[in-house]
Amino acid sequence: GAGVSQSPRYKVAKRGQDVALRCDPISGHVSLFWYQQALGQGPEFLTYFQNEAQLDKSGLPSDRFFAERPEGSVSTLKIQRTQQEDSAVYLCASSFRLDRGDSAKNIQYFGAGTRLSVL
Amino acid sequence: AQRVTQPEKLLSVFKGAPVELKCNYSYSGSPELFWYVQYSRQRLQLLLRHISRESIKGFTADLNKGETSFHLKKPFAQEEDSAMYYCALLNYGQNFVFGPGTRLSVLP
Repeated sequence: GAGVSQSPRYKVAKRGQDVALRCDPISGHVSLFWYQQALGQGPEFLTYFQNEAQLDKSGLPSDRFFAERPEGSVSTLKIQRTQQEDSAVYLCASSFRLDRGDSAKNIQYFGAGTRLSVL
Repeated sequence: AQRVTQPEKLLSVFKGAPVELKCNYSYSGSPELFWYVQYSRQRLQLLLRHISRESIKGFTADLNKGETSFHLKKPFAQEEDSAMYYCALLNYGQNFVFGPGTRLSVLP
């Protein structure tokens, strides 16, 4: 399909387990974002890539969270030693590229998300 | 720090009534603002952006820099407008800040 694809859709992990969440952005999209959305809240920014470069990781809540996009396309968000407070929906979004001069390039297209439940 | 607030968690209106979803922001530069919508069992999608000054599905939103607001309005609500609505600000530090969202329920 042509949209942003995330896998798995659902993940149940035992506390202390490591998890890896995958995002396939829209082909040709340079910018890729990860968000965490807790129940009843809006998406909270985690990190941002432009191609393979991670330009902003200020939203990652702890050093247990790690994201990569080694070839500038698919991205993986890894959470080590999961804890119950990590339970949330993790959203991935891509855009053509962030451009102060062209708003259309800033439109983000979202995946369906991965719902992570840590028991 | 950049912040987006949406004071109403839930807004219920009757079909055909006007609707206004409030959004206020704090940002030290010239903001770029968006409204995103999430219909039931669908993914988050763009509704409209302030720069384009467009009307989508009958919705409009005007950026008011004096009041730091970007309220979403529609003169006559339809049942299919029921959804979660998120106001978002693009920070040219290159990330987006989303508000907590307002659930709009349009009653028949």
